[in-house]
Amino acid sequence: EADIYQTPRYLVIGTGKKITLECSQTMGHDKMYWYQQDPGMELHLIHYSYGVNSTEKGDLSSESTVSRIRTEHFPLTLESARPSHTSQYLCASRPGSGANVLTFGAGSRLTVL
Amino acid sequence: DAKTTQPTSMDCAEGRAANLPCNHSTISGNEYVYWYRQIHSQGPQYIIHGLKNNETNEMASLIITEDRKSSTLILPHATLRDTAVYYCIVTGNDMRFGAGTRLTVKP
Repeated sequence: EADIYQTPRYLVIGTGKKITLECSQTMGHDKMYWYQQDPGMELHLIHYSYGVNSTEKGDLSSESTVSRIRTEHFPLTLESARPSHTSQYLCASRPGSGANVLTFGAGSRLTVL
Repeated sequence: DAKTTQPTSMDCAEGRAANLPCNHSTISGNEYVYWYRQIHSQGPQYIIHGLKNNETNEMASLIITEDRKSSTLILPHATLRDTAVYYCIVTGNDMRFGAGTRLTVKP
């Protein structure tokens, strides 16, 4: 049973719209991550956070932004969506110590027309 | 940060063992090796991890060389449902996934 939730699962939106992809986890994990993945392609780390008020950019240049005001919540925002943002976005979390196993959400598939 | 190298793709016959190699020659002494797999576009699923000893669980076995520069994930009796992309990562690379190995299990 997944303890990390992403909404929406699917979103079709027009160019120029602002969107926020939600990610919430109930496991009290300190570390959270956003990945971007095109079909059949590599997973790219775009943002991560080690705790409240901590956010870092990943490897893939992304026009999205993130925030971490609460431990359980790590939303990703696109201020002005473009067709190049069409992709799947996966959120994940893991504890700050111990086994450090990543738990993934089901993903948000975004299509920008 | 330690990087990993995996073959792009592999095939395996159903019912046979699938042995997936991973090179992590720059791994540091306190870094773990983790294996995940991704089926279709679902989020990757954790399989197993280890530091220096071999590990086994209900899904797979992990063999780590004595110098820790490489490891092998073993699926002892591959089934068609094991067809997936398998990722080997090390903790020092902070959850960065490479391209992985696309394993195809054939009837």
